[in-house]
Amino acid sequence: AQSVTQPDIHITVSEGASLELRCNYSYGATPYLFWYVQSPGQGLQLLLKYFSGDTLVQGIKGFEAEFKRSQSSFNLRKPSVHWSDAAEYFCAVGTTSGTYKYIFGTGTRLKVLA
Amino acid sequence: EAQVTQNPRYLITVTGKKLTVTCSQNMNHEYMSWYRQDPGLGLRQIYYSMNVEVTDKGDVPEGYKVSRKEKRNFPLILESPSPNQTSLYFCASQDRVYGYTFGSGTRLTVV
Repeated sequence: AQSVTQPDIHITVSEGASLELRCNYSYGATPYLFWYVQSPGQGLQLLLKYFSGDTLVQGIKGFEAEFKRSQSSFNLRKPSVHWSDAAEYFCAVGTTSGTYKYIFGTGTRLKVLA
Repeated sequence: EAQVTQNPRYLITVTGKKLTVTCSQNMNHEYMSWYRQDPGLGLRQIYYSMNVEVTDKGDVPEGYKVSRKEKRNFPLILESPSPNQTSLYFCASQDRVYGYTFGSGTRLTVV
């Protein structure tokens, strides 16, 4: 069965510092992988996605993620965090056939210090 | 503008009083889904629909109903709401290439 683990519930970084949010997944084949961001009181916005091909994926707002098959990971990175990046981040894995179902991780809440 | 529209944004109701949360998408997507979001649990799928008149249970379907009579609409129905259904609900419409587009959410409180 699919599963997604985001081991960090909360992360605090200083503005301008680099960021890495961890995501590990379990799936029997190469999955579809996603990162979403949720600002307070808002819906979820897609940051980036991986379907196939280049394992380093560029997204919006300066984010990138790298798919590492050997580690079953899809970590999200940003070289320099802005105060507006404070939000909750969700990793999701999608099936590649059938119901196209997504399984979401439990989220990582990012706090940015001025 | 491509979007998923949910209504209402906020709803407070009493136990047992039937309610419907509406969801509409303008992207002509076949696949739509409902999720609930609870602290520490992330998003869990309630029901999904792969096309008109085709719906199926997700991971937490108990206490909920859905219908898909038209492609654009996918309402979520709580026939007899209970306090454990207090949650933040999201409707989503899916494109295979671009992934989910989520609505803005409905915060439901059942007292």
